[in-house]
This record gives sequence, structure tokens and C-alpha cells, in this order.
Amino acid sequence: EAGVAQSPRYKIIEKRQSVAFWCNPISGHATLYWYQQILGQGPKLLIQFQNNGVVDDSQLPKDRFSAERLKGVDSTLKIQPAKLEDSAVYLCASSSRTSGGPYEQYFGPGTRLTVT
Amino acid sequence: GEDVEQSLFLSVREGDSSVINCTYTDSSSTYLYWYKQEPGAGLQLLTYIFSNMDMKQDQRLTVLLNKKDKHLSLRIADTQTGDSAIYFCAETTHVNSGYSTLTFGKGTMLLVSP
Repeated sequence: EAGVAQSPRYKIIEKRQSVAFWCNPISGHATLYWYQQILGQGPKLLIQFQNNGVVDDSQLPKDRFSAERLKGVDSTLKIQPAKLEDSAVYLCASSSRTSGGPYEQYFGPGTRLTVT
Repeated sequence: GEDVEQSLFLSVREGDSSVINCTYTDSSSTYLYWYKQEPGAGLQLLTYIFSNMDMKQDQRLTVLLNKKDKHLSLRIADTQTGDSAIYFCAETTHVNSGYSTLTFGKGTMLLVSP
């Protein structure tokens, strides 16, 4: 079974530029998550999708971050414009369950973003 | 709000036991998890425990849960150099519409020396 795929693996941009990340979850997983992991910290949930609907985006800085999951499969996360404090690893995860449990979230390798 | 606290660093010798500790705040958490992150990789689920259990053993891993104190620990027996990684404690939190998500601690870096 293929794992969660993310691209690019690394990205360096200047502040105020735009950037987009792509995620392809495990086939059949209805739930998709985007996390931000700042160096030295644990992953922080940005947005959670159930199929192509948003379940939770309460911690997504909506003035600059946006995400979509068209057709309930792949997802993109965009930052526009980027700030220095957006430098982090952006992790995508997917899961086949959303409540009850236990349920395992399968993580991709992440995209390391550096904003200069 | 939810908060998960962990010690930041642990150093042990190969063959020793490692104990990583975690405290959490959400008493309604149904499951608690331990994830492992190796350099440059995503997180991988190691084990989990249901909140009505005190202990769970899975090969070299032992999870202890003190629900009264909201304290969770992960013991790794016979620690190997390949166990060197960052270990994250996570609690289940509940969002609207009945969906669940995870809140992670900051992670404990385990360094195993030969």
C-alpha cells in the first residue's frame, strides 16, 4: 500500500511570495489533515477535511492560508503572502476513521518551507 | 484548552530502559497515543492506550496511564541505537460534528549511545 505522498519536499521562498503544497493521501482514506510543525515543537493541526468538506479549520490563519480538497482525494495548501514565521515543516496525514477509535493517522514525509 | 507537556530530551545507553513521560489536560480523551519521528520523516504511530486501561504492553514497549494525574509514560526496554528519534505524546480531542483529532506534545528527543 502506497503511503501519503507530499511534494515538494523542500521549498525556499522570500517573504511576501506565494507557495503551494500538494498532498495525495492513502487510497480510500476519507479524512485528510494538514499540520504545521515548527522546529522544536509538535505538529499543530491547521485544517481537517472529511472527504471534500472542512471539519475543522479553527487554527488556520485564513488571511494568508487556504486549503482545498477537490473531489475528496488530493489536497493543496497555499500560503499567500508568506511571512518569516511560516518557516516550518508542513505535514499531511490521512486516516480511514474520524471518531471512536483508536484510529491511526498516517503521515507523509512533509514539506520543509524556509521563508527568507 | 488542550495541552500536552513532555520533557524535551532523554539520553540513555544502548541496552538500558528508556522512560518518556507526558502529561495531558483533556480528561475526556478516549485514547492516548505515542508517535515516533525519525529525522526527515513524518510521524509513525508506535502504540496507543484506551483511557480505561492502566497499562499496555507491546513487545519492548510498555505504556502506563495514570488517569487521575493525567500522566502517560512510554517505557522502551533494551533500547537500541535505532530507537533514537523524537517521541510525541498525543491526546484525542473532539471537534465539532463528532469528529476527533489529535493534540500533540512538543516531543521528547531520545538519544541512544552505544
